[in-house]
Amino acid sequence: AQSVTQPDIHITVSEGASLELRCNYSYGATPYLFWYVQSPGQGLQLLLKYFSGDTLVQGIKGFEAEFKRSQSSFNLRKPSVHWSDAAEYFCAVGAYSGAGSYQLTFGKGTKLSVIP
Amino acid sequence: DSGVTQTPKHLITATGQRVTLRCSPRSGDLSVYWYQQSLDQGLQFLIQYYNGEERAKGNILERFSAQQFPDLHSELNLSSLELGDSALYFCASSTQDYNEQFFGPGTRLTVL
Repeated sequence: AQSVTQPDIHITVSEGASLELRCNYSYGATPYLFWYVQSPGQGLQLLLKYFSGDTLVQGIKGFEAEFKRSQSSFNLRKPSVHWSDAAEYFCAVGAYSGAGSYQLTFGKGTKLSVIP
Repeated sequence: DSGVTQTPKHLITATGQRVTLRCSPRSGDLSVYWYQQSLDQGLQFLIQYYNGEERAKGNILERFSAQQFPDLHSELNLSSLELGDSALYFCASSTQDYNEQFFGPGTRLTVL
């Protein structure tokens, strides 16, 4: 079965600083990978996705992520964080399981705090 | 706005009761997914429907059931509620299996 690990529960950065959120996945085949963001009291918004092709993917709000198969990682980056980026970030892997079913498996999330 | 709607936004009920959560997917999306988000378990996949048929089951309790209607809206029924069922319940929809899922704003269920 697939799994996702986000090693950092909480990260605090200063506004304007760079950001990297870590994500490691476990899946036997080529995964479909996603990053979602959840602001307090809100639903999940898709930041970016990786299906195949270029391993560096660009998303919304200036975010990017790099797929590294050898490290089973899909880390999220942003060169300069804004105060509005404070939220919880979830990495997810989409995979086919038994009987042809498909589901997303999420990591536990990383809460980002931004210091003005 | 993702285009996925969920009602109600908040629900407060007592142990042993039954509630129904409703979800309308984005226009054109045939797949509907239900997730439960709690502090201790995180985001857990519950169940998926595709064009009215159950497609996949995750960590869904036997006390919980769902269905998808001909107009593609879906309902999640939770019965014999326990304190531990208090959580945020999200609905998501997608056009195809491997595409990204678009999430609704969620229903916050509080069981007292």
